[in-house]
Amino acid sequence: QSALTQPPSVSGSPGQSVTISCTGTSSDVGSYNRVSWYQQPPGTAPKLMIYEVSIRPSGVPDRFSGSKSGNTASLTISGLQAEDEADYYCSSYTSSNTLVFGGGTKLTVL
Amino acid sequence: QVQLVESGGGLVKPGGSLRLSCAASGFTFSDYYMSWIRQAPGKGLEWLSYISSSASPIYYADSVRGRFTVSRDNAESSLVLQMNSLRAEDTAVYYCARVWRSWVFDYWGQGTLVTVSS
Repeated sequence: QSALTQPPSVSGSPGQSVTISCTGTSSDVGSYNRVSWYQQPPGTAPKLMIYEVSIRPSGVPDRFSGSKSGNTASLTISGLQAEDEADYYCSSYTSSNTLVFGGGTKLTVL
Repeated sequence: QVQLVESGGGLVKPGGSLRLSCAASGFTFSDYYMSWIRQAPGKGLEWLSYISSSASPIYYADSVRGRFTVSRDNAESSLVLQMNSLRAEDTAVYYCARVWRSWVFDYWGQGTLVTVSS
């Protein structure tokens, strides 16, 4: 199972919006709404930010939003803050009863 | 509060074995599926295994199927990953994670480092 495709890096200034894409196939992202996003600041464990494409767990700011179109899911962070600087990973359930992560995207807040 | 604490990591030679444990607390362990996920140094996350609350079904990634075995002890609230035939490419931080709402990892441990080197 190949990793989902994410851009290696994105950046934005405080207050701006950034979008991170996550491209899979019809065997994973395209067929299931079981797409999640995780935030991982350096040296820490990942934290769940979005699940089932667009649902935010309790405690996650509404600046974080998710969507999906076809085989591509997206995470949008609006009103960027310095604390948002981290690595972000998408994941998707697959038709093989497995899970696949994206390669990760490093977000830099300029 | 939910806590997951991994242990058992360390240095092992290629071809060797290692047993990782994950001690769970703060929730009813027997109600939840669990997973192991790893992260090689400087690399991304890789899902490894998924075990249901009753230990059946169990799913594995192709990269570890046949070499790694996941098990759980609901009475002890513990999760185990038995790793055999270890390779240099298995070097990584290994995380256990609680599974929520089907394939969503809502709590993660702090990870334990496994280094496979001669």
